[in-house]
Amino acid sequence: TQLLEQSPQFLSIQEGENLTVYCNSSSVFSSLQWYRQEPGEGPVLLVTVVTGGEVKKLKRLTFQFGDARKDSSLHITAAQPGDTGLYLCAGVGRASGTYKYIFGTGTRLKVLA
Amino acid sequence: GAVVSQHPSRVICKSGTSVKIECRSLDFQATTMFWYRQFPKKSLMLMATSNEGSKATYEQGVEKDKFLINHASLTLSTLTVTSAHPEDSSFYICSAPTTYGYTFGSGTRLTVV
Repeated sequence: TQLLEQSPQFLSIQEGENLTVYCNSSSVFSSLQWYRQEPGEGPVLLVTVVTGGEVKKLKRLTFQFGDARKDSSLHITAAQPGDTGLYLCAGVGRASGTYKYIFGTGTRLKVLA
Repeated sequence: GAVVSQHPSRVICKSGTSVKIECRSLDFQATTMFWYRQFPKKSLMLMATSNEGSKATYEQGVEKDKFLINHASLTLSTLTVTSAHPEDSSFYICSAPTTYGYTFGSGTRLTVV
């Protein structure tokens, strides 16, 4: 089964600081999605990256897809308390001839005011 | 468009009883449904993939007889937790691929007492 490893697992920072979350795999993904999830709710899609080397910006969030499409990163500039949440990368993996939508191990971000 | 309605949102049941969780696609046909389980502060773990009209595919380590999945129609997939025990307490969420990406149910918080 393809795995998506995220780092760091947990991050606690002060408001205004910058941070980067990484999503790595040994396998190639045709695309990767990034989500943010609040406790007790479903994940909310932030972005989809498709092309190797692609960079997408969403306000203070910058997403990058690795050239080989095996990794991705999420960079947050000037983090705010509202950015607090669980950040997940996800993509379609294939195992035993079956396609499945799998999630990364997750990064829990806490931004302190 | 592309909404998945998941019910119930919360359920408390006694040990030994069974609980059924439903995911309905409201405005599209869901030929595939992914079922996930999420422990507190952890990522979504894929439990099984259900396909309309065929048997579900379970991930390694997931008990087929305990987590019964039925996908009898293009708009309904159900997960039944049989003979529930306190260790089955968790957040369960479904997801279906759509033209726009993956859409998620709102999740079910199961507490077994």
